[in-house]
Amino acid sequence: SAVISQKPSRDICQRGTSLTIQCQVDSQVTMMFWYRQQPGQSLTLIATANQGSEATYESGFVIDKFPISRPNLTFSTLTVSNMSPEDSSIYLCSARQENYGYTFGSGTRLTVV
Amino acid sequence: KQEVTQIPAALSVPEGENLVLNCSFTDSAIYNLQWFRQDPGKGLTSLLLIQSSQREQTSGRLNASLDKSSGRSTLYIAASQPGDSATYLCAVIPASGSRLTFGEGTQLTVNP
Repeated sequence: SAVISQKPSRDICQRGTSLTIQCQVDSQVTMMFWYRQQPGQSLTLIATANQGSEATYESGFVIDKFPISRPNLTFSTLTVSNMSPEDSSIYLCSARQENYGYTFGSGTRLTVV
Repeated sequence: KQEVTQIPAALSVPEGENLVLNCSFTDSAIYNLQWFRQDPGKGLTSLLLIQSSQREQTSGRLNASLDKSSGRSTLYIAASQPGDSATYLCAVIPASGSRLTFGEGTQLTVNP
């Protein structure tokens, strides 16, 4: 199955700033996904990122706050913009492969102060 | 709307014990079901993927079963070890679309 390298693994950011999270996949994948996991909770899907088209956002998430890029079939970024303490979470990227299901990156632990 | 429930929410066992984690889902129109492990503050590690046409999958000390008709899956861990301590998540992959639905997880602690 694919291996996803996600970085940074953690960061502490000032409110009002932005952070870009990167995910690199070691093979080509059609669909990539971005999730948020708030403390003590399960994963919430932010958006689906397909190469060559705009990301599809879930209810409650907007492009201005979480812009996503997907320049090719092995790479995607998620930016958390104009951060507030409520954005403190673990952010995870994921890719789907037909015979392997879903693979996840190692996560980015974001703290906004 | 698919709902996934995991029981128990937390489990603490002595080392060496065999244990079963349960996952139930409300809509049997699934494509696959996948079990994951998550260590604190980390990403998800895939443990087992069960295709909808399969009844079970095995990997080492892990065995996962799937009963679509009753909307249930179980993850069996044999001879548990302290290193098995983590949160275990089951996720359902729908028959149409790609949106995973996760359970809330079972937090497992294996005591030496």
